[in-house]
Amino acid sequence: AQSVTQPDIHITVSEGASLELRCNYSYGATPYLFWYVQSPGQGLQLLLKYFSGDTLVQGIKGFEAEFKRSQSSFNLRKPSVHWSDAAEYFCAVGAGFGNEKLTFGTGTRLTIIP
Amino acid sequence: KAGVTQTPRYLIKTRGQQVTLSCSPISGHRSVSWYQQTPGQGLQFLFEYFSETQRNKGNFPGRFSGRQFSNSRSEMNVSTLELGDSALYLCASSLVLAGSPFYEQYFGPGTRLTVT
Repeated sequence: AQSVTQPDIHITVSEGASLELRCNYSYGATPYLFWYVQSPGQGLQLLLKYFSGDTLVQGIKGFEAEFKRSQSSFNLRKPSVHWSDAAEYFCAVGAGFGNEKLTFGTGTRLTIIP
Repeated sequence: KAGVTQTPRYLIKTRGQQVTLSCSPISGHRSVSWYQQTPGQGLQFLFEYFSETQRNKGNFPGRFSGRQFSNSRSEMNVSTLELGDSALYLCASSLVLAGSPFYEQYFGPGTRLTVT
């Protein structure tokens, strides 16, 4: 069975500072990995995805993530955060091949301080 | 292109009642998945429909059911509501074409269900 661990429940970062959100997954085959962001009272917005190929993927809003198979990790990064990045971030893994189920981590709440 | 829409956005029901939630996917998307989000359990997969057939199902009781229509719109139904069913219910759609392993899912804004 697939699983996702986001070890940080809450992270506080100063505006303009760099950001790294951690994600570890457990899945036997090639994983399909995603990062989503959720603002209060809203649905989930897809930031980026990894299916195969280049292990460094670029997403929207200046985010990037690096897939490291040896560490079973898919960490999200942003070089300089903006106040509007304050939200909850979810890492997810999908099985693929007719199984559309996404398994989500518990999320990391990001607070930005001026 | 319009995104995933869900109706209603907010709903208040009483224990024992039933409720039906609706989801309209992005045009051209044939797969619709439903998720339940609660503070205690997080995001959990309910089921997925593709071409009017349920393909995948999560670990929820039979009180939770769904269906998909020929235009890919989907509904989910919860019968005999319990207090613990209070949650944000999210619908997601994806393209899904034959021969491709996976497609990203796009989420709607959710329906906030409160059971009293």
